[in-house]
Amino acid sequence: LAKTTQPISMDSYEGQEVNITCSHNNIATNDYITWYQQFPSQGPRFIIQGYKTKVTNEVASLFIPADRKSSTLSLPRVSLSDTAVYYCLVGDIRGYSTLTFGKGTMLLVSP
Amino acid sequence: GAVVSQHPSRVICKSGTSVKIECRSLDFQATTMFWYRQFPKQSLMLMATSNEGSKATYEQGVEKDKFLINHASLTLSTLTVTSAHPEDSSFYICSARGDRAQDGYTFGSGTRLTVV
Repeated sequence: LAKTTQPISMDSYEGQEVNITCSHNNIATNDYITWYQQFPSQGPRFIIQGYKTKVTNEVASLFIPADRKSSTLSLPRVSLSDTAVYYCLVGDIRGYSTLTFGKGTMLLVSP
Repeated sequence: GAVVSQHPSRVICKSGTSVKIECRSLDFQATTMFWYRQFPKQSLMLMATSNEGSKATYEQGVEKDKFLINHASLTLSTLTVTSAHPEDSSFYICSARGDRAQDGYTFGSGTRLTVV
C-alpha cells in the first residue's frame, strides 16, 4: 500500500480556503485517493475520493496532478466546525485492500 | 448513503472481564469488516480484517485470542475484548465494506472502552 505524508497540523481562520496536500510517491496504478475527516471520539467520515484530475462535491474539491504522486484537498470557506483531523488514504477500493491510516493533519480553524 | 452502526458508544468494565462491541451495516451487505484501535492523539491502527463466514485476519502484534472477532452474517461483526486490562482502554472503531466497489468504506461511530 502506498504510504502517505501530510503536514501534522494547519491553522486557518473562518471564511478562508484551506488546502491540505498529501504526498504518495509510490501510488499504484489501481489506487484511488480518499480523504476522511475525524472529530474527537468519532469514527472517520468520508469527504471525497478521486483517481485523477479534479473531483468536486458539496463539501470539498480534490486536485490530483497528472503524475498522481500527490493530491490536495481543498476546503472552501472553512468554519469553526471544520476543526478536525483530516486523513489522506491511498488504496485500491475495487479490491479488498485495507485502509491504512497515516498520522493525518490536525486542522484548527479560529474565529 | 451507507450507514454503519456501532454499539455501545462507550463502556466501562472491570479488569479481567470481557466486553463485546457490535458493528452493524444498516443498509448494505458488508462482505468485509475491519476493526481499528485508536489511542489518544494517535492515528487509527488496523487490528484485524474479517470476511463473512471465515476467520478474521489479524495484524501483526494483535492477539487473536484476546480480541475475538465474529462475522457470522453480512450485516454484523462483533469484537470481544477478553480478560480486559487497563492497557486495553482505547477507542475502537469498525469499518465495513460492501460487495460493490462503489460502496467504499464506511466507519462506525466508535466505542470508548475504559478498563478500571
